[in-house]
Amino acid sequence: EAGVAQSPRYKIIEKRQSVAFWCNPISGHATLYWYQQILGQGPKLLIQFQNNGVVDDSQLPKDRFSAERLKGVDSTLKIQPAKLEDSAVYLCASSHGTSGIYTGELFFGEGSRLTVL
Amino acid sequence: AQKITQTQPGMFVQEKEAVTLDCTYDTSDQSYGLFWYKQPSSGEMIFLIYQGSYDEQNATEGRYSLNFQKARKSANLVISASQLGDSAMYFCAMRLLDDKIIFGKGTRLHILP
Repeated sequence: EAGVAQSPRYKIIEKRQSVAFWCNPISGHATLYWYQQILGQGPKLLIQFQNNGVVDDSQLPKDRFSAERLKGVDSTLKIQPAKLEDSAVYLCASSHGTSGIYTGELFFGEGSRLTVL
Repeated sequence: AQKITQTQPGMFVQEKEAVTLDCTYDTSDQSYGLFWYKQPSSGEMIFLIYQGSYDEQNATEGRYSLNFQKARKSANLVISASQLGDSAMYFCAMRLLDDKIIFGKGTRLHILP
């Protein structure tokens, strides 16, 4: 079974530029998450999708961040314009959810490392 | 407030010793789940162990066990017979209603030879 795919792995941009990250979850996983992990800190939930609907985006800085999950499969996270403090690893994760035997365990991609200069 | 607290920023442990990583949580949800993940320097997130709020037995997975004390709202990870490869960041996480999952700040574990 293929894992969670993310791209690009690395991105360097100047402040005020825009960037987009892509995530393809594990096939059949209805729930998709985007986390921001600043160096030395724990992952911070930015947005959670259930199929193509948003479940939680309370910590997404909506003035500059946007995310979509068209057709309930892959997802894109965009930052425009980027700030220095957006430098972080952006982790995408997917899950079966908690129906039936599933615990809601997250399966993570390798992450996209963003550096804003 | 829904929160995960890991109070140990870093720990140093001698190889082959047991180690306990602390995690306390706060939620008003009756049904929730607790996870531990390991993040080596390579950056990947590795699932270690899960405990459901209604599970009566403490979870175990090989050398990992979860010391779940519901009344104290704690879910400490115990690693028995530590190995050099256990050196990594360890995150405690909580699954809430609607499957929202939040993480603690982590504990960096160093295993000394």
